[in-house]
Amino acid sequence: GAGVSQSPSNKVTEKGKDVELRCDPISGHTALYWYRQSLGQGLEFLIYFQGNSAPDKSGLPSDRFSAERTGGSVSTLTIQRTQQEDSAVYLCASSSTRDGYQPQHFGDGTRLSIL
Amino acid sequence: GENVEQHPSTLSVQEGDSAVIKCTYSDSASNYFPWYKQELGKRPQLIIDIRSNVGEKKDQRIAVTLNKTAKHFSLHITETQPEDSAVYFCAASINGGSQGNLIFGKGTKLSVKP
Repeated sequence: GAGVSQSPSNKVTEKGKDVELRCDPISGHTALYWYRQSLGQGLEFLIYFQGNSAPDKSGLPSDRFSAERTGGSVSTLTIQRTQQEDSAVYLCASSSTRDGYQPQHFGDGTRLSIL
Repeated sequence: GENVEQHPSTLSVQEGDSAVIKCTYSDSASNYFPWYKQELGKRPQLIIDIRSNVGEKKDQRIAVTLNKTAKHFSLHITETQPEDSAVYFCAASINGGSQGNLIFGKGTKLSVKP
């Protein structure tokens, strides 16, 4: 079946604007994760959803960042009043939770550039 | 919280040689350790993972070893090929990987020279 789908693939916006990034997980995956990858760096955890609730928001870097998930499927990550340091690739992953040891499958990411 | 250290940051080998990447973790409660391969501009792809109740796992030319006492795990790639060139990330989780976030190392850029 289809993998994790993210849109847009690229987003260029001016500093101070709000942006919305979308993630469509693998069908049936109840767990959904957002990570951020800065140029040449590792992956930094942002937020984790189990169904529509977010048990762990500890990675969100500031109150300008928020995320929601509806219908246990699609998730949107919103960044308000964007800053240049928000420029990065935003990756979404999903996993089944059948037995707790299921791998996370990643999307292609959204490359966000703040001018 | 959990911290994952990964070494080396870059690794260059000749085609056919072996490559070893090492990671250490800080939280003894970690129980799941995946490895991801990321080619330039592409998504991270899982290549192998290991649970804490297993010491070693192999899949063709790739193997992972885990030493829970020392809190380190390693990726071994044998008979390397140019298509193995990529950035490799190790990760650890205290939640089995599917009920909480992964903590990633900073990556190892592997170059395999023909």
